[in-house]
Amino acid sequence: AQSVTQPDIHITVSEGASLELRCNYSYGATPYLFWYVQSPGQGLQLLLKYFSGDTLVQGIKGFEAEFKRSQSSFNLRKPSVHWSDAAEYFCAVGASGGSYIPTFGRGTSLIVHP
Amino acid sequence: DGGITQSPKYLFRKEGQNVTLSCEQNLNHDAMYWYRQDPGQGLRLIYYSQIVNDFQKGDIAEGYSVSREKKESFPLTVTSAQKNPTAFYLCASSIGEDSNEQFFGPGTRLTVL
Repeated sequence: AQSVTQPDIHITVSEGASLELRCNYSYGATPYLFWYVQSPGQGLQLLLKYFSGDTLVQGIKGFEAEFKRSQSSFNLRKPSVHWSDAAEYFCAVGASGGSYIPTFGRGTSLIVHP
Repeated sequence: DGGITQSPKYLFRKEGQNVTLSCEQNLNHDAMYWYRQDPGQGLRLIYYSQIVNDFQKGDIAEGYSVSREKKESFPLTVTSAQKNPTAFYLCASSIGEDSNEQFFGPGTRLTVL
C-alpha cells in the first residue's frame, strides 16, 4: 500500500518570497503523484500531476513540482508567492494498476505575510 | 460546464437525526467518493463506488450509508449512529480505471447541535 507524508503542518512566507512544500511518498513502483490546493471552506483543486516522463511538472497558478525517485519526493515550488496563495496544500499518491484510490497527506497550511 | 455539485453548503441538524448530503456529477465519471475532513486530519475516505449499484466501505464507514442508483448521483446519509458527525464533507469523482485523479465538489459543512 502507498503512503504519503507532508512533514510541515504550517509554512509561513512573506509575499514575493519563494516557496517549497515537501512531500515524501512510499510506494514500490512508479507512483502517480498529485498536488491539490484547498481554500478555506472550499473543495480541492488540482494544481499538477505526475504520471510519467519529464520529472519536472508545471501546473496552474505558477506552481511546479519535481519528482525525485531517489529521494521518494515530490516537492511543490513557486518562485514568488502571492497573498492569494494562502491555502491548504495536499499531496497525494496513487498506485499504477489495481486500486485507483489515491492516498492523501495531512496537508500543509500556507500562511502568507504581506 | 462539467463539474461536481454538493448541496447544501451548510447543514444544521439536531443530535439523533439522520441527514442526507447530496452529490451530483456531470463528468460522466464511473467512480465517486465521499471524504470527511476534520482540522489537522486531512481527508479520510468514508465510502466509494466504482460503478452504479455497487459501493465499498472506506476507512471510516461506521455511522454512514450511501447509495449509487444513478451514475451521476452518490448521496451520503449520516445516521444517528455516527458519534461525532460535525465535519466538512467532500464528494469527489474520477474516471476510474487507472487514473487516480479526482475532481472535488465544493463541500458541505455539517453541524450537529
